[in-house]
Amino acid sequence: QKEVEQDPGPLSVPEGAIVSLNCTYSNSAFQYFMWYRQYSRKGPELLMYTYSSGNKEDGRFTAQVDKSSKYISLFIRDSQPSDSATYLCAMSADSSASKIIFGSGTRLSIRP
Amino acid sequence: DADVTQTPRNRITKTGKRIMLECSQTKGHDRMYWYRQDPGLGLRLIYYSFDVKDINKGEISDGYSVSRQAQAKFSLSLESAIPNQTALYFCATSDPQGVSNTDTQYFGPGTRLTVL
Repeated sequence: QKEVEQDPGPLSVPEGAIVSLNCTYSNSAFQYFMWYRQYSRKGPELLMYTYSSGNKEDGRFTAQVDKSSKYISLFIRDSQPSDSATYLCAMSADSSASKIIFGSGTRLSIRP
Repeated sequence: DADVTQTPRNRITKTGKRIMLECSQTKGHDRMYWYRQDPGLGLRLIYYSFDVKDINKGEISDGYSVSRQAQAKFSLSLESAIPNQTALYFCATSDPQGVSNTDTQYFGPGTRLTVL
């Protein structure tokens, strides 16, 4: 069993819809949770960073962490075609980037 | 992405050949990383370096070696390439005093390597 599980998709939704992307994990020591966005033929870029449980909002993006269920989510409101990308969840037990475990990514397509 | 560059962007080679992938950065970060990305497996860490004299193996270092020539340069070598090393390779840098005091990573654009 992988430490981090992520549905690969693809997920296709109409423009303006609310998108929900999710990951589950097995290691209860994880405390740092990240979401990366990766456009085609580009490297991943950090989108959201959350420590421990709770919600974090940044514009149209909201990250949620439920440590009791070992479940994290990324919500995108008012989705735009420019949000079409692969979204990677990532997490680690300590703050060093060398310890990050990545999910396999969910491919998202926003239809105009 | 322009702050972290990778060369070449695409490479096709044959089994048994030696290959070097190069990474340069202008971000001034001490920490650098090499990852490979495979469909369904996500990003996996090959090697990382916290400064010029510090090299560490990652999750999947077998068959790979690295060289940290300077703070700004970190190279990945495949001594004798094999087909299952066909993948997308990413270099990254990080700064532990980054955004919100997190060890934020910045990725290069990737090198697509095919081993025939």
